[in-house]
Amino acid sequence: AQSVTQLGSHVSVSEGALVLLRCNYSSSVPPYLFWYVQYPNQGLQLLLKYTSAATLVKGINGFEAEFKKSETSFHLTKPSAHMSDAAEYFCAVSDQRGNTPLVFGKGTRLSVIA
Amino acid sequence: DGGITQSPKYLFRKEGQNVTLSCEQNLNHDAMYWYRQDPGQGLRLIYYSQIVNDFQKGDIAEGYSVSREKKESFPLTVTSAQKNPTAFYLCASKQGAGTGELFFGEGSRLTVL
Repeated sequence: AQSVTQLGSHVSVSEGALVLLRCNYSSSVPPYLFWYVQYPNQGLQLLLKYTSAATLVKGINGFEAEFKKSETSFHLTKPSAHMSDAAEYFCAVSDQRGNTPLVFGKGTRLSVIA
Repeated sequence: DGGITQSPKYLFRKEGQNVTLSCEQNLNHDAMYWYRQDPGQGLRLIYYSQIVNDFQKGDIAEGYSVSREKKESFPLTVTSAQKNPTAFYLCASKQGAGTGELFFGEGSRLTVL
């Protein structure tokens, strides 16, 4: 079985500060890992994905994430927060064959303070 | 433009009534999914279908039913057996197995009065 744990249901940062959203995964097989973003009353949009090609993955809107097998982590970072980054962020995992549905974490709401 | 269309966006129903949420995609994707979202609970899988005329239960299938008669359509029925149906429902699709991205619709918010 696969699962993800997102540490912190709510993170608040100042505009221009570093954004760090934490995700730890559990998987008995090599995983694929994803970060999605959701704005209020909308669907989810893919930010980035790890599919074993490179451990440091760059995504849209200046976000990136690093896959660390030894720590079973896939934390999402952005050097400088912008007001438009305020949203809910979800980490998700699937197996490397992509046959199993994505399993999502409970989400982290990011607030950006001016 | 290709994408996933969910309707209605907002729906109100009385207790004891069944309601069907529509999900249509024109991405030619093989696999389609229904997730339920509740505050602080993340997304939980209700049903999914990887091929026409076949579907599998997810983690919280009780009180829900689906059909997959056409590749582009995957409607979800919330039955009166679902004890707590008020939620935000998200439909998604994916091009088969592999590393393909999961594409989401805009969601349907169901409120039971």
